[in-house]
Amino acid sequence: DAKTTQPTSMDCAEGRAANLPCNHSTISGNEYVYWYRQIHSQGPQYIIHGLKNNETNEMASLIITEDRKSSTLILPHATLRDTAVYYCIVRVRGNTGKLIFGQGTTLQVKP
Amino acid sequence: EPEVTQTPSHQVTQMGQEVILRCVPISNHLYFYWYRQILGQKVEFLVSFYNNEISEKSEIFDDQFSVERPDGSNFTLKIRSTKLEDSAMYFCASSVREVFSEQFFGPGTRLTVL
Repeated sequence: DAKTTQPTSMDCAEGRAANLPCNHSTISGNEYVYWYRQIHSQGPQYIIHGLKNNETNEMASLIITEDRKSSTLILPHATLRDTAVYYCIVRVRGNTGKLIFGQGTTLQVKP
Repeated sequence: EPEVTQTPSHQVTQMGQEVILRCVPISNHLYFYWYRQILGQKVEFLVSFYNNEISEKSEIFDDQFSVERPDGSNFTLKIRSTKLEDSAMYFCASSVREVFSEQFFGPGTRLTVL
C-alpha cells in the first residue's frame, strides 16, 4: 500500500472548517484513499473514502487532487467533539481487508 | 444503530496467564478483525478472519495468539501465555465485505499484564 504523510498536529477554531491534508505521492491507479478517526482511546471510526472524484457524506468531504498525489479531508463546521486523531489510509483494490494505520494528525478543536 | 461490542472493557492479568477477549460483531457482517494499540503508539493489525478461518495475520500474531468464532455471534481472541509487552488496547472490528467496505470498530478491551 502507498505510504501517506500527514502533519503531526493541527488546531481549528470551533465552528470553522477543519482542513486536514494528506500526501500520498506514490499512490497508484487502483488505490483508494480512506479516512478514519480515533477519539481519545476509543475504537477508530470510518469517515469517508474515495478514488479520484470528490466525495461528501454527512460527516465530511474528501477532496482528491487531479493527479491523486494528495487529498484533503474537510470537516465543514468543526465541533469540540471532532477533537481526535485523523488517519489517512491508502488501500489497494483487491487487497486484504486489513487497515494499516500511520501516526495520523491530532486535530485539536478549540472553543 | 448496530455496533460492535467488546468484553471486558478492562482485563488485568498476571504474566503467563491465559486471557480471552470477547467481541460481538455486527450481525450481518462476514469479516472480522483484531487490532491492538500499545499506549501512545499506532493501531496495529493483528488478524483477519472469514468463513471460520484466518484470512491474514501479522507478524505480531504468533503462536501465542488464536482466534475463534465459537458460535454465530461471538468472535474471540485468546492469548495463551501473556507477556508484559501484550499490555495494550485490543480492538475488534467487523465489515460486510473485505474490501471497499468500512470497518466498524468496537470500544476496545484494555489488557494490563502485570
